[in-house]
Formats: sequence, C-alpha cells, structure tokens
Amino acid sequence: GAVVSQHPSRVICKSGTSVKIECRSLDFQATTMFWYRQFPKQSLMLMATSNEGSKATYEQGVEKDKFLINHASLTLSTLTVTSAHPEDSSFYICSARTDGRHTEAFFGQGTRLTVV
Amino acid sequence: ELKVEQNPLFLSMQEGKNYTIYCNYSTTSDRLYWYRQDPGKSLESLFVLLSNGAVKQEGRLMASLDTKARLSTLHITAAVHDLSATYFCAVPRAPGTASKLTFGTGTRLQVTL
Repeated sequence: GAVVSQHPSRVICKSGTSVKIECRSLDFQATTMFWYRQFPKQSLMLMATSNEGSKATYEQGVEKDKFLINHASLTLSTLTVTSAHPEDSSFYICSARTDGRHTEAFFGQGTRLTVV
Repeated sequence: ELKVEQNPLFLSMQEGKNYTIYCNYSTTSDRLYWYRQDPGKSLESLFVLLSNGAVKQEGRLMASLDTKARLSTLHITAAVHDLSATYFCAVPRAPGTASKLTFGTGTRLQVTL
C-alpha cells in the first residue's frame, strides 16, 4: 500500500507559540490530502481538505487563521497550529488518497500535540 | 448531514467468543471502510468494502456491507487478546471516492483472557 509519513510524531509547545506538522506521501503523488483531529477517547473529525496549488477548504467551525494549511507540492502538506492553546492539544492525523485510484485513503502515523 | 453510528461503544469479551460490531450510516454511500486503532497510534486499514453485498475476511475478522440497509457489520470469531483495540467504520461524504471520511463513534474492544 501507499505510504504517508507524518512528522513529528509528538510535540510539546508553550501556549502562544506555533507548531508545524508535516504530511508527506512517500511513494505517490497526492493532489489532495486531509487533516483530521482526534480528542482523547473520541472519534476522528475532519478539519480541512488540503489542495495542492490552491487554498484549503475548512470544515464548519474550524478556524482557518488558526490552522494554516499549505500544500505546496504534490507530496507535502503542512498544518501549522498558530498561537496554540491548551485546548488545541489533540492527536492530529493526515491522510492522502492516490490520485489514480480513489478507492482508499492512507493515513499518517499521527502527531500528538500537547500545549502547556 | 452524514451521521455514522456504531454499537456497541465498548465491548468486553472473553477469548474464544464471537461477537459483531454494527455500523449504521444515515445517507446513501456505495462504500465503507473499517479501521483499527491501537492506543496512541494512528489508523490501520482493515477492510475496504466497495459494493452492496461485499464481504471480506481477514483472519478472525469478517466485514460485510448492505448499502440498502445502510449497515455494515464487523464480525469477530473466536476472539484473541491481540484483537483488543478500538475499531472505527468510516463512510465517505461523496460517493465514489475515499475523500472526506466521516467516522463512526468507535467501538473499544477488550478481549479478556
């Protein structure tokens, strides 16, 4: 199967700082990637759709100025959590689908963000 | 709005027993996905069900899809401790793609010795 790599796997940051999370498709090109958030003992919720070469589309209730998404190449999307607060602490997971085969999405390893 | 519900939310079962997890969804979809998540880890793909009546089996797990009833089942046969994890079903918001998945509530499975 296709491989999606996410980095870092865990990060601790201070309130008010920004954190960048990378999502890479290692062996395929992905014009579209997806960012999900998972709070402890809860399900995954889609935050935004990252589109290569254009603006990301955000789900209702997700602040686009707080969660900046950049999809500058066919293999890399980044999510930057700006001015992080403790309530942003969560597990962030990216996924990508192969463009030529839309049957399956592949998930990164996830990033555990803790804001102190 | 697409809603995906699973039941039960928590399942404690003894090794060797059989059980079924149910996944209901509220709008038409031609496909459904099952994932496993271990604590602190990301998702592991278990099954991709692409048509009505699809049935797939892998080891002690078998998944099926009834698109008319908007229901999928994940059946566990003769459970073993290694199957302890949280299981999610997911349905794409748009038909025909794996995009924008809406996940079920999750079923935490605990298999006791």
